[in-house]
Amino acid sequence: DTAVSQTPKYLVTQMGNDKSIKCEQNLGHDTMYWYKQDSKKFLKIMFSYNNKELIINETVPNRFSPKSPDKAHLNLHINSLELGDSAVYFCASSQWGATNTGELFFGEGSRLTVL
Amino acid sequence: AQTVTQSQPEMSVQEAETVTLSCTYDTSESDYYLFWYKQPPSRQMILVIRQEAYKQQNATENRFSVNFQKAAKSFSLKISDSQLGDAAMYFCAYRFNQFYFGTGTSLTVIP
Repeated sequence: DTAVSQTPKYLVTQMGNDKSIKCEQNLGHDTMYWYKQDSKKFLKIMFSYNNKELIINETVPNRFSPKSPDKAHLNLHINSLELGDSAVYFCASSQWGATNTGELFFGEGSRLTVL
Repeated sequence: AQTVTQSQPEMSVQEAETVTLSCTYDTSESDYYLFWYKQPPSRQMILVIRQEAYKQQNATENRFSVNFQKAAKSFSLKISDSQLGDAAMYFCAYRFNQFYFGTGTSLTVIP
């Protein structure tokens, strides 16, 4: 069973379009994240949700809007796509607490290409 | 502010040899976690090894081991008996409340 799954794996779209990436985790974790990995492989945190509440919101354009309908799902919607949005987007989850190391479990990534 | 520095953008190692990837971090905290993640060409991020800062003993996972120097804020990864499948991007990460990643080291394994 896939622990953290995200769909789609690949998106190719035109500038100005809107797209969504979905993420689901079956690990029972309470915290989920979106990371952006650019062409130089830099990993940058975008958002983090804990039990459906937004706890990290880095400097990300308003065109990016996360939504967490429940603690097992964290979706990412992007409006008015720009060339610079082309990247690999990773969903991840972790469980925090005294008995957990809180390591990140990553999805396979979604490669977004904006033409 | 917490930062993680990987000073080696690229490294190479001969198959069956040993290689060490460097990582330093900056923190004022005393209790935190450190990780090494591997990202092969398939792009999946895979946990290689973890270290709790309160443990003095260096973590080991098969051919992977770390040299954790808390006072020096250093957390290097040693890969022994390198295999072709070890070729990947390696990321060092620090966790206290949230995660901080280094910029990665690209490891090439030469047959």
